Amino acid sequence: SAVISQKPSRDICQRGTSLTIQCQVDSQVTMMFWYRQQPGQSLTLIATANQGSEATYESGFVIDKFPISRPNLTFSTLTVSNMSPEDSSIYLCSVAPRLGVFGEKLFFGSGTQLSVL
Amino acid sequence: GIQVEQSPPDLILQEGANSTLRCNFSDSVNNLQWFHQNPWGQLINLFYIPSGTKQNGRLSATTVATERCSLLYISSSQTTDSGVYFCAVAGTYKYIFGTGTRLKVLA
Repeated sequence: SAVISQKPSRDICQRGTSLTIQCQVDSQVTMMFWYRQQPGQSLTLIATANQGSEATYESGFVIDKFPISRPNLTFSTLTVSNMSPEDSSIYLCSVAPRLGVFGEKLFFGSGTQLSVL
Repeated sequence: GIQVEQSPPDLILQEGANSTLRCNFSDSVNNLQWFHQNPWGQLINLFYIPSGTKQNGRLSATTVATERCSLLYISSSQTTDSGVYFCAVAGTYKYIFGTGTRLKVLA
């Protein structure tokens, strides 16, 4: 398994500002993912954070709005830029722990509850 | 892309009742996992079950890949089982989540 520390746990932000969410894992992991969960909805994959290269974004998500960093195998950040009330959601970091093995169990941080006024 | 549908969308049970949650997916997948999201939003991995049957206490899960279906069984439900249950399937290097089943267990 993996222990994932995600922060902040919640924040209330003003329209037009940016928020950076951090995800720290207690072991090296190949795959790190960022998800968004809008109120009452399922989880939607934003992007896969790749170590040493640009993130891979899903349809409907762009780097200018959701820049991602992955400086090493244990850490990643997601920035929500130029926020609007529609960005109010829970943002979740997740990892598949076994280095080099896709298809293993997926584990989640405790999430960041973001409210944009 | 792969579509993942869960049923029922909502379920209300009396404590002690049994239930079956279903997950259907539209294409072949590499694996499937079940999660419970508690009322505080934390996602807990229940089962990693690409095929076959697994049991963990009052919960068990069965995946029949050829039928593109997985079932989660909850027996003798408790109020702490309340929350949202998601299945997630692995396509090509990413996990796709189902629509979820919201479960409320009444005391």
